Amino acid sequence: DTEVTQTPKHLVMGMTNKKSLKCEQHMGHRAMYWYKQKAKKPPELMFVYSYEKLSINESVPSRFSPECPNSSLLNLHLHALQPEDSALYLCASSRDRGPYGYTFGSGTRLTVV
Amino acid sequence: QKEVEQNSGPLSVPEGAIASLNCTYSDRGSQSFFWYRQYSGKSPELIMSIYSNGDKEDGRFTAQLNKASQYVSLLIRDSQPSDSATYLCAVTPSYNTDKLIFGTGTRLQVFP
Repeated sequence: DTEVTQTPKHLVMGMTNKKSLKCEQHMGHRAMYWYKQKAKKPPELMFVYSYEKLSINESVPSRFSPECPNSSLLNLHLHALQPEDSALYLCASSRDRGPYGYTFGSGTRLTVV
Repeated sequence: QKEVEQNSGPLSVPEGAIASLNCTYSDRGSQSFFWYRQYSGKSPELIMSIYSNGDKEDGRFTAQLNKASQYVSLLIRDSQPSDSATYLCAVTPSYNTDKLIFGTGTRLQVFP
């Protein structure tokens, strides 16, 4: 299995909703990442988990809350989002923290209304 | 100065030609460099990694790295219309090797 699976693929939520994005990999990778990508922009790092512990938070607003329940799963909990948070949310994993290439999931396209 | 810079393009090349994509970076201590391909509406896909000065070839792709000039490039030989995509250069910064910094990408168009 060489894939990173993200669900849902599309999500529309209101500003008062609570929702979660899910990411799963079974490649034995020990580092997992959340990136945000706006249209025609490069991916921007949000969070890094290494060995199930949060190692980087790129000063992301608290309305985004990551969680890593085990080495294969990564969640992103969303609450009270703003329309400007609408974007493609990408999960990625790599063999370990450090200079390794990432495998990206197909992403969740989020629209906040 | 942006950490990773790319010409946004579009770079238009005819089918069968060599496409040359360029990237410069500002952190002289960076040691790891990657090229990702991203089709419109899809997620990035890793196509090449390079860590040492010189050339690295994989099929029709060649990555070139020159750390002294802080320059990394990607050559695509025998370009095909299916190569039409945005190519993202990514660099691991010396101050934190747990992250990747992406350039804004170069859009490549290969016409028949």
